[in-house]
Amino acid sequence: SQKIEQNSEALNIQEGKTATLTCNYTNYSPAYLQWYRQDPGRGPVFLLLIRENEKEKRKERLKVTFDTTLKQSLFHITASQPADSATYLCALHYGNKLVFGAGTILRVKS
Amino acid sequence: EAEVAQSPRYKITEKSQAVAFWCDPISGHATLYWYRQILGQGPELLVQFQDESVVDDSQLPKDRFSAERLKGVDSTLKIQPAELGDSAMYLCASSSTDATNEKLFFGSGTQLSVL
Repeated sequence: SQKIEQNSEALNIQEGKTATLTCNYTNYSPAYLQWYRQDPGRGPVFLLLIRENEKEKRKERLKVTFDTTLKQSLFHITASQPADSATYLCALHYGNKLVFGAGTILRVKS
Repeated sequence: EAEVAQSPRYKITEKSQAVAFWCDPISGHATLYWYRQILGQGPELLVQFQDESVVDDSQLPKDRFSAERLKGVDSTLKIQPAELGDSAMYLCASSSTDATNEKLFFGSGTQLSVL
């Protein structure tokens, strides 16, 4: 069966450190993958999109990698800040729609 | 910055009652989506519109849920009758094209509680 797996436990890190979130998938062959941020009680907000022929994408303090052999994407936030605390969702392109993972809660402590 | 508008923000209803949610996408966005998000899970697509046409409603429980986008602009999602298991966040999203290479813009959602 098809699965998208993100870190099931919350990730707690210290301010200033790099946060690394994982998205693994099985039985999908996505042409691209997206990452979204979601704050409590709010809708997701788009962060980054990476295509299957791209290994890495950067935007300010954010970096995403996409390994189609490992069927994995890593999402990095460098120099993390308490304001980065949120749930981060990965989403795969499947057919003509996006399929979301359950998300990983990130808590950055000052 | 343009936003996706949703109302109401919160809705409390009793089981067997009818509820309706409204969404106004970003102006000019042809594609509109309704997602359901249960606490602790990711959003699950219920229905996707391209203009006024339904593109995908394979996960919509059609015995109780209905969705329309009559003029290809705003949209309404209805549940009748509501069941306890329908308690969730209902999210509307839009994009200028379909999801194949476009980011989605989400509204703030409607939090539904069925008692």
